[in-house]
Amino acid sequence: KQEVTQIPAALSVPEGENLVLNCSFTDSAIYNLQWFRQDPGKGLTSLLLIQSSQREQTSGRLNASLDKSSGRSTLYIAASQPGDSATYLCAVYSGGGADGLTFGKGTHLIIQP
Amino acid sequence: DTEVTQTPKHLVMGMTNKKSLKCEQHMGHRAMYWYKQKAKKPPELMFVYSYEKLSINESVPSRFSPECPNSSLLNLHLHALQPEDSALYLCASSQDPVLRAGEKLFFGSGTQLSVL
Repeated sequence: KQEVTQIPAALSVPEGENLVLNCSFTDSAIYNLQWFRQDPGKGLTSLLLIQSSQREQTSGRLNASLDKSSGRSTLYIAASQPGDSATYLCAVYSGGGADGLTFGKGTHLIIQP
Repeated sequence: DTEVTQTPKHLVMGMTNKKSLKCEQHMGHRAMYWYKQKAKKPPELMFVYSYEKLSINESVPSRFSPECPNSSLLNLHLHALQPEDSALYLCASSQDPVLRAGEKLFFGSGTQLSVL
């Protein structure tokens, strides 16, 4: 059974810092990995999706990397802003429809103004 | 239009009430989902509706019943809920139920449900 772990569970940094969120998964047989953002009491917004054949994806100040063989992904946020405060969830897709999408518990990020 | 619309945003109900959550998407997506999310936990898949077929997570109690009136709507009927059912209920959709080609999930804003 796939398990997804996100470290740290919570992070608080001053505005302007670059930061890294970590995601690890136990079964490397995945099709893709997604990073989501969730604001309190709201739905999830997909930020980046990396296919298993890719090493990284970039969108603006966000860069996600994938090392499938070691079961790791990182989300790099450059020049953090207070608006980046949210919970970031990692999800890996192992096949079989939505049943095969396994979420981590998320990293709760606070950017201090 | 890349939105999944959920109503209501908030719902408080007693254990003897019957209520419904509504979800709508106009992206032509062929799969729709209901998730349940407790505080500080990841979303848990409850139901999948795709190609006129409903797939149920066997751990979901029968007091939750989904209904799909058409390909754009997926409702969740609630009856005789328990206080432990209080959670954020999220609806999502995707172009195809098979996600391996990189299909993204589009989530609604959720319904925050409190059962008294």
